[in-house]
Amino acid sequence: GAVVSQHPSRVICKSGTSVKIECRSLDFQATTMFWYRQFPKQSLMLMATSNEGSKATYEQGVEKDKFLINHASLTLSTLTVTSAHPEDSSFYICSASKASGGPDTQYFGPGTRLTVL
Amino acid sequence: AQSVTQPDIHITVSEGASLELRCNYSYGATPYLFWYVQSPGQGLQLLLKYFSGDTLVQGIKGFEAEFKRSQSSFNLRKPSVHWSDAAEYFCAVGGSGNTGKLIFGQGTTLQVKP
Repeated sequence: GAVVSQHPSRVICKSGTSVKIECRSLDFQATTMFWYRQFPKQSLMLMATSNEGSKATYEQGVEKDKFLINHASLTLSTLTVTSAHPEDSSFYICSASKASGGPDTQYFGPGTRLTVL
Repeated sequence: AQSVTQPDIHITVSEGASLELRCNYSYGATPYLFWYVQSPGQGLQLLLKYFSGDTLVQGIKGFEAEFKRSQSSFNLRKPSVHWSDAAEYFCAVGGSGNTGKLIFGQGTTLQVKP
């Protein structure tokens, strides 16, 4: 149990276009989902926390107008990178938690490799 | 400030040898501690977690970790390493009363020699 999927697994796009990444919890209801960014050989950087039906909470320094997050249902959250530029190229990972805050386990998706040309 | 430190960026061990990956944390409240493993180009897989109770926790793939409050540590151990254990290992800390966010360490790359 506790499987999280991401789609697509990799995407290549032209500079200036928008890209949508989906994160789904397949066998549980995810009250909270998290979006991370990971640069090569580095740790995960939390971008934002989203709770179903409410606005996402962004970490300091993350542009909310550039990285749009929607958590429309208890099994789906989407990250849209708007007007992507080469510096947005990265590995994006989502995670899902059954709890709304407090101690719980985050289950991670397999990640999405974004390359912006 | 809340933080997690993994002092070893890179560790190499021989197959069959024992392994210990270090993790130290700084957290103002009761910590909830996790170890995750990441294979290249993949997401993170949970190895084990500590919330409360017995300070020695068992995980998947033969891993265990011991929570030592006095040393603010949560080191990961395995008695005999397999070649398939080569990966990136992340220690993370979270706690109650927050949004459920995790703070990750920098990661330790494990290389296994045949």
